[in-house]
Amino acid sequence: AQKVTQAQTEISVVEKEDVTLDCVYETRDTTYYLFWYKQPPSGELVFLIRRNSFDEQNEISGRYSWNFQKSTSSFNFTITASQVVDSAVYFCALHAGTYKYIFGTGTRLKVLA
Amino acid sequence: GAGVSQSPSNKVTEKGKDVELRCDPISGHTALYWYRQRLGQGLEFLIYFQGNSAPDKSGLPSDRFSAERTGESVSTLTIQRTQQEDSAVYLCASSLDQGRYEQYFGPGTRLTVT
Repeated sequence: AQKVTQAQTEISVVEKEDVTLDCVYETRDTTYYLFWYKQPPSGELVFLIRRNSFDEQNEISGRYSWNFQKSTSSFNFTITASQVVDSAVYFCALHAGTYKYIFGTGTRLKVLA
Repeated sequence: GAGVSQSPSNKVTEKGKDVELRCDPISGHTALYWYRQRLGQGLEFLIYFQGNSAPDKSGLPSDRFSAERTGESVSTLTIQRTQQEDSAVYLCASSLDQGRYEQYFGPGTRLTVT
């Protein structure tokens, strides 16, 4: 079975704090892809990043960084020096084997000024 | 370039009426997905199109739900005899192909059944 777990339902931080959003996935496939999406209050989901199962290199994009660890089946997302504009719901997703993308239940991030 | 568009953006309908939701994917994207998102919830997969073929409709909640796609273009999701539990945001996404490609989402249609 394929599954994505985002155990953190809601996180609140004060602006400029660092925050990590957790994502744990399950799949028996050796080839798979992991994604993160951001859903701001406006509602439209925005693609952030894609990783394939063969590339465990961590990635940094500005204040965003992703830590992919196959050993723990995790693909965590860190926002450094958070800003109010980072407030959104963040979804982790898995694609393996079939055509379905399996989404986690999302983590609501509130960044307080 | 143009993103995924959906219409209408909001739809209020009376219980028992039929509704039709429309999705225009990004040009050239062969894969198209429909999801349902209830308030404060995650994304519930409904159906996937590769071209105009829907390999799996098992995500559709009941036989009141149906969807079709014209070629690699517009898709419509139809809900017949709407029920209050159908109230949700219906999201459409397209991708270059299924699998390893990221999905691009439309703004959604907020359906309210009164």
